Amino acid sequence: EPEVTQTPSHQVTQMGQEVILRCVPISNHLYFYWYRQILGQKVEFLVSFYNNEISEKSEIFDDQFSVERPDGSNFTLKIRSTKLEDSAMYFCASSLGLAADTQYFGPGTRLTVL
Amino acid sequence: GENVEQHPSTLSVQEGDSAVIKCTYSDSASNYFPWYKQELGKGPQLIIDIRSNVGEKKDQRIAVTLNKTAKHFSLHITETQPEDSAVYFCAARATGTASKLTFGTGTRLQVTL
Repeated sequence: EPEVTQTPSHQVTQMGQEVILRCVPISNHLYFYWYRQILGQKVEFLVSFYNNEISEKSEIFDDQFSVERPDGSNFTLKIRSTKLEDSAMYFCASSLGLAADTQYFGPGTRLTVL
Repeated sequence: GENVEQHPSTLSVQEGDSAVIKCTYSDSASNYFPWYKQELGKGPQLIIDIRSNVGEKKDQRIAVTLNKTAKHFSLHITETQPEDSAVYFCAARATGTASKLTFGTGTRLQVTL
């Protein structure tokens, strides 16, 4: 069964450093998402991406964040200058279509900012 | 924006008993309500979803009910098994926010032998 994959599973970085989290969505899916989950808190939407541009973003997704689909298979989340409060689990998801379509989640990347 | 509340935060049941998890939402425009199961070290996995044009949906031991008037929906698991132990999240999606899912805070279900 096709699944969303994410690398790395755990990333440790120093405050102020740039990190890139990588995702490979399900191959025929057209919509891609990033969510995050701070330890003990709810899963929060960050951004959605379609047709090589951001279709929606939350207030969390400020200028420090960016997303990119550098090739036909990868979808990346970049955090330019990490802060301590960026420490969280980051989930990538993809869906075939838009309206009420199931979003399939990857296993997540645990980001720890020291 | 949408706000989703979920109760209880933890739930312990004996194997074979039923488990019920409840969620409420704030935006009456929400029309899609998925439930995800998250096992340790894994991402959320969809287990069932319901759209606002139906009041109930069942898939084997799992059922979801939706009350649009009261703006709440519930997950029912019957004949629970140890492998049902996980964290369960409800979510809602409102029209006008075509892609964004708003999640509840999660319920840790423990099925004991």
